[in-house]
Amino acid sequence: QVQLQESGPGLVKPSQTLSLTCTVSGGSISSGSDYWSWIRQPAGKGLEWIGRIHTSGTTHYNPSLKSRVTISADTSKNQFSLKLNSVTAADTAVYYCARGTPMVDFAYWGQGTPVTVSS
Amino acid sequence: DIVMTQSPDSLSVSLGERATINCKSSQSVLYNSNNRNYLAWFQQKPGQPPKVLIYWASTRESGVPDRFSGSGSGTDFTLTISSLQAEDVAVYYCQQYYSIPLTFGQGTRLEIK
Repeated sequence: QVQLQESGPGLVKPSQTLSLTCTVSGGSISSGSDYWSWIRQPAGKGLEWIGRIHTSGTTHYNPSLKSRVTISADTSKNQFSLKLNSVTAADTAVYYCARGTPMVDFAYWGQGTPVTVSS
Repeated sequence: DIVMTQSPDSLSVSLGERATINCKSSQSVLYNSNNRNYLAWFQQKPGQPPKVLIYWASTRESGVPDRFSGSGSGTDFTLTISSLQAEDVAVYYCQQYYSIPLTFGQGTRLEIK
């Protein structure tokens, strides 16, 4: 069973870069035809897809965040990462990583990691 | 962007009764080439990540109780819980994966009456 675990700073200052890593166990991020996504959820609100990376290395981003987002993968560590620059308080949320299969984009989720943007 | 609109925003149902949640997409999520609707339903309980219940609009994920069912095609979809159990209290989201950006409905909060 694939498991995902997010990690990274829980507090980021405004205008700085939010950096998170998702460590995958029980499966390889470089095999198959899967997508590996980042999704976020502000407290008490709904879900927003940030972007994804395919096993081939192809990336797709939400246009609303595209200018500030980079998703990359480190296959040697079986991890993929999110960088969101120029953050503001509006970027405060729980950030989830997820694995997509050919049937559904978010089949497996990490537990989520809360990130607060504050000085 | 495809906008997903759920109704109602909240729902209160008695134990053992049927719960119905609707989801409407701003454009069709049906791929004519394979006749599949790229629509999923998720359940999120407090403090937990979402869990997929249904994909391709009507295919139940492995391990999901058969009281959960999905229906609909094109732009109009429904999640039905045939006999509400206490453990079904949660927020439910529909999500389209027809096109980028992937988008979710605003969520429907389901409570026990």
